[in-house]
Amino acid sequence: DTGVSQDPRHKITKRGQNVTFRCDPISEHNRLYWYRQTLGQGPEFLTYFQNEAQLEKSRLLSDRFSAERPKGSFSTLEIQRTEQGDSAMYLCASNLGANVLTFGAGSRLTVL
Amino acid sequence: GESVGLHLPTLSVQEGDNSIINCAYSNSASDYFIWYKQESGKGPQFIIDIRSNMDKRQGQRVTVLLNKTVKHLSLQIAATQPGDSAVYFCAENQGNLIFGKGTKLSVKP
Repeated sequence: DTGVSQDPRHKITKRGQNVTFRCDPISEHNRLYWYRQTLGQGPEFLTYFQNEAQLEKSRLLSDRFSAERPKGSFSTLEIQRTEQGDSAMYLCASNLGANVLTFGAGSRLTVL
Repeated sequence: GESVGLHLPTLSVQEGDNSIINCAYSNSASDYFIWYKQESGKGPQFIIDIRSNMDKRQGQRVTVLLNKTVKHLSLQIAATQPGDSAVYFCAENQGNLIFGKGTKLSVKP
C-alpha cells in the first residue's frame, strides 16, 4: 500500500470554473476525511465519511462544495464556481475506526 | 469558541540541541492529543499522541508532556537534526481533529 494518494497535486483554475479532487485512502481504512489548509495555518476540518456515508460536514463547506465516496473507497471533492478565497491546499486523510489519521500529500488549488 | 493554539510561530535551534514546542488548548474535556510534523509540500505526518490519563509519553527522540491543570501540551525533540526542520502542529480530538496554527522549527547546522 502506498498510503493516501491525492490527485491532482496542483490545480490552477480561473475564477468561476469547477474543479474536482480525488483521494484514494489506505485500502483497509473505513474513514476518510477532507481538510483545507491555507498558508501559515493548520488544517481545518471540512467533512468525513465512514464507508460511503458522509457523517459530518463543517460549516466551512459551503453549498459550492460537494464530497462523495460512492463505493466506500475513493472520494472526490468538487468545488463549483470557484472563488479566489478557495485557493488552499486540500488534504485528504484516512483511518480505521478511531486510529490516528494518515494524511495524503494534498492537492494545491490556485484560483486566478 | 474552543481552540488549540501554539505559543510561538517560529523556533530556531542549533543542531544537536533539544527543541521544545508548546501548545495551549482550551477544551478541558479533550481526552486525546496528537502532534504532527509537516514538511514543505507534504501532508502532516504523525509523530506521537497522548491520552488525557497520561502526563508523559516517549517515542524515539520525542517526548510529549501533558499538563491538564494549565491545559498545556509540549513536544520535546532530543538532539535535533536538520531533518527535523518542519512545521509542527498539535491537534486535539473533538470527534474530529482540531489543529493549531503550527510552529516552524528551523535547525541551524
